Amino acid sequence: DAGVTQSPTHLIKTRGQQVTLRCSPISGHKSVSWYQQVLGQGPQFIFQYYEKEERGRGNFPDRFSARQFPNYSSELNVNALLLGDSALYLCASSYTPGTGELFFGEGSRLTVL
Amino acid sequence: SQELEQSPQSLIVQEGKNLTINCTSSKTLYGLYWYKQKYGEGLIFLMMLQKGGEEKSHEKITAKLDEKKQQSSLHITASQPSHAGIYLCGAAAFQGAQKLVFGQGTRLTINP
Repeated sequence: DAGVTQSPTHLIKTRGQQVTLRCSPISGHKSVSWYQQVLGQGPQFIFQYYEKEERGRGNFPDRFSARQFPNYSSELNVNALLLGDSALYLCASSYTPGTGELFFGEGSRLTVL
Repeated sequence: SQELEQSPQSLIVQEGKNLTINCTSSKTLYGLYWYKQKYGEGLIFLMMLQKGGEEKSHEKITAKLDEKKQQSSLHITASQPSHAGIYLCGAAAFQGAQKLVFGQGTRLTINP
């Protein structure tokens, strides 16, 4: 079975632009979470979605938004990109939001110039 | 807010040697996840521990959650080059949550 898949794998944007990252969870998983990992640090929680509803939000500005679709896939949008948004964006899925194992994708590496 | 501290931050061991990585939390741990990450890549799930005193093993890797539930250790026996990478511990922010707080990671290098 396929694991968590993310696209694109790499992308380069300039300051002020907008980006959309996509995530498909493991088949049967209904919860999707997004994390940001800056080089040399551990991942930081951005959002969690379950059954298309936001279940949690980390300490990120309103420029960051996300949504989950009926097929449980998810998108993360970042507007008005800043240099500091350069990071590896990781998507994770689990069957339910509060229990069980949490599996991550390979990530989308965003570079903002 | 909860903080996780991993030690050591980096570790270089000779192939075949045993090693231990520690993860200490500032608060009670309600769920502790161990992941491995190759540089710049995604996180590979290793183990999840939930109960104080719980111990799990997979191949040559064993993880324990101490009784007081504020510290976890990851032990690798007879290390191999394939064990090299960054090991991350992540803890649930509160019981029943999957919002994880991560440590800064431990970079493991295996010398042949």
